[in-house]
Amino acid sequence: LAKTTQPISMDSYEGQEVNITCSHNNIATNDYITWYQQFPSQGPRFIIQGYKTKVTNEVASLFIPADRKSSTLSLPRVSLSDTAVYYCLVGDKAILTGGGNKLTFGTGTQLKVEL
Amino acid sequence: EAQVTQNPRYLITVTGKKLTVTCSQNMNHEYMSWYRQDPGLGLRQIYYSMNVEVTDKGDVPEGYKVSRKEKRNFPLILESPSPNQTSLYFCASSLSPTAGYTFGSGTRLTVV
Repeated sequence: LAKTTQPISMDSYEGQEVNITCSHNNIATNDYITWYQQFPSQGPRFIIQGYKTKVTNEVASLFIPADRKSSTLSLPRVSLSDTAVYYCLVGDKAILTGGGNKLTFGTGTQLKVEL
Repeated sequence: EAQVTQNPRYLITVTGKKLTVTCSQNMNHEYMSWYRQDPGLGLRQIYYSMNVEVTDKGDVPEGYKVSRKEKRNFPLILESPSPNQTSLYFCASSLSPTAGYTFGSGTRLTVV
């Protein structure tokens, strides 16, 4: 199971782009990279998922280099409401082996956005 | 509305008194999972289920039981709760192994 490492906290200001990098040196061939957002006392919310290169949706972009040993979540023009904890997850082999969905969350990155 | 519903939202109980936290999803998802969240430790997976009658241990299964008799329900059972099980619990469901999870609103459990 690939372990992930991400910064404990980051600070930013409204309107700036925020990039949160996650290291996952032991990522397996069939693993996917997923990011979640969590507000206090709420369940995490799925943001974006990718396997390689770049994925973009209406909320964020995910950049994954060719070696897949790291990934970067990019949040364009953050606002105060983006203050939350962001988790990087690397999924277990699941589809091919039928081993289920054993996803491990770390402690995440606390992003604080100020005016 | 597509959602994962947990009950109760808050629960205070005494050591040793069996309790069940219910979880239900209305999205016909195959995969369901339970997590606990503690300060400084992040979210840790307790049990997960790949389908009806198929469950497996997560990272911290000790002291917990689950069952998956129906696709939509995945209750978490604490046969003999102890104070170290005081935590915030989340249930989640997913359509496939690599699709994003939808989480419930959480159950804050206090065992005294």
